[in-house]
Formats: sequence, structure tokens, C-alpha cells
Amino acid sequence: DAGVTQSPTHLIKTRGQQVTLRCSPKSGHDTVSWYQQALGQGPQFIFQYYEEEERQRGNFPDRFSGHQFPNYSSELNVNALWLGDSALYLCASSLVTGGTDTQYFGPGTRLTVL
Amino acid sequence: RKEVEQDPGPFNVPEGATVAFNCTYSNSASQSFFWYRQDCRKEPKLLMSVYSSGNEDGRFTAQLNRASQYISLLIRDSKLSDSATYLCVVNPKAGNNRKLIWGLGTSLAVNP
Repeated sequence: DAGVTQSPTHLIKTRGQQVTLRCSPKSGHDTVSWYQQALGQGPQFIFQYYEEEERQRGNFPDRFSGHQFPNYSSELNVNALWLGDSALYLCASSLVTGGTDTQYFGPGTRLTVL
Repeated sequence: RKEVEQDPGPFNVPEGATVAFNCTYSNSASQSFFWYRQDCRKEPKLLMSVYSSGNEDGRFTAQLNRASQYISLLIRDSKLSDSATYLCVVNPKAGNNRKLIWGLGTSLAVNP
């Protein structure tokens, strides 16, 4: 049973560039949530996708956008990168009909903006 | 008041000790609760869900106190491998809100 996978594992970008991160949910899951975790902080919710639509959004600017595909995989796009975007980006999958919303995380993508 | 609050620690305990963490939440209508464990520079891993009746998994016991709006995690007979950050997570589940609320985590160091 494949768990949540994310790619790439590490990424280095410069200010102003754009980045796309990818996530494949755990087998049987239909919902993907994205989080940003800065060093020493808890995960901060970015948004959640279900049925190819953004269902919930955290307090992040429009530079952060996403997409969910029919196979439930998802992308996170960040435009106009700035230094403060350097963080671990975590994808979590869950099953909407599961009732408890238990989320399982991928290994994350560590983004460094120079 | 923060939606979910935890004592950041660090908690430094010797091997074999019993240690307890508390986490308070502000939304009395919150529906489900979890403890996650996160090792340095790794992703959070689900440790256990927290049920109203309390639940136990080996050396780990989770309790929920709705009246006082807190959940707890008790670790007995601490092992070196228990050293990690423990994150408290609350799901308000108010209406269509499916956004989990995360605490900042409590750091535990188990020493030989």
C-alpha cells in the first residue's frame, strides 16, 4: 500500500522565480491538504483540495495556488518566490467519507529560496 | 487566545520516566483530536487519535477532557527513540470547515 509521495524532495530557487510541487495521495484517499512548515514552527495550513476543487484555504496570498487532478494527485504552485517562502512543504492525504479526517503526510519538499 | 496551545518545552527526561503533555483548544465545538509525532526535519506521523473515552496504545495514553477543553498524552517508560516533537491537532469541523488546527508542538528529549 503506497503512502503519500511528494516530489521533488529538495529544491533551490531564487527570489522571483516560480515553483511547482507535486503530491500523490495514499491509495484510496481522495483529499489532499498542503501545509507550510517553517523551522521550529508547526505546520501552517495552505489549502485543501477535494473533487478537483479548493475547498478550504488558510491565510496565504494568491501567489499560492494549487490543482487537483482526476487521479487525486495534486500540485502546489508558488509564484514570485521570496526569501520567506523557504520552508518544508508538506502534503497530507485523507478520505472525506472517513469521518474523522485523519491525515497522513508525505515526506515533504524542502524549498530554499536564495 | 490561540486556537490550539501547547507548552513548547523542551521536556528533558531520563530513560524510563513517565512524561505527560497537555494541549488546550479554544473551540468548544471541536469534533476530533489527534497527536502526531515529528522527528527533526521529517514529516509528522500520526501517533494516535484521541477519543472521548480515552485510548491507550502500548506505552502511550491519550485523554480528552471536553469540559476543560484539553487533551493529554502520557508516555510511560520513556525510550531514547521517543525523543521528538509532539504535535496536538484539533478538527473544529464546524459546518464545512475541514481545516485542522495544529499546535506548535512540544519538544521531548529522553536522555540515557
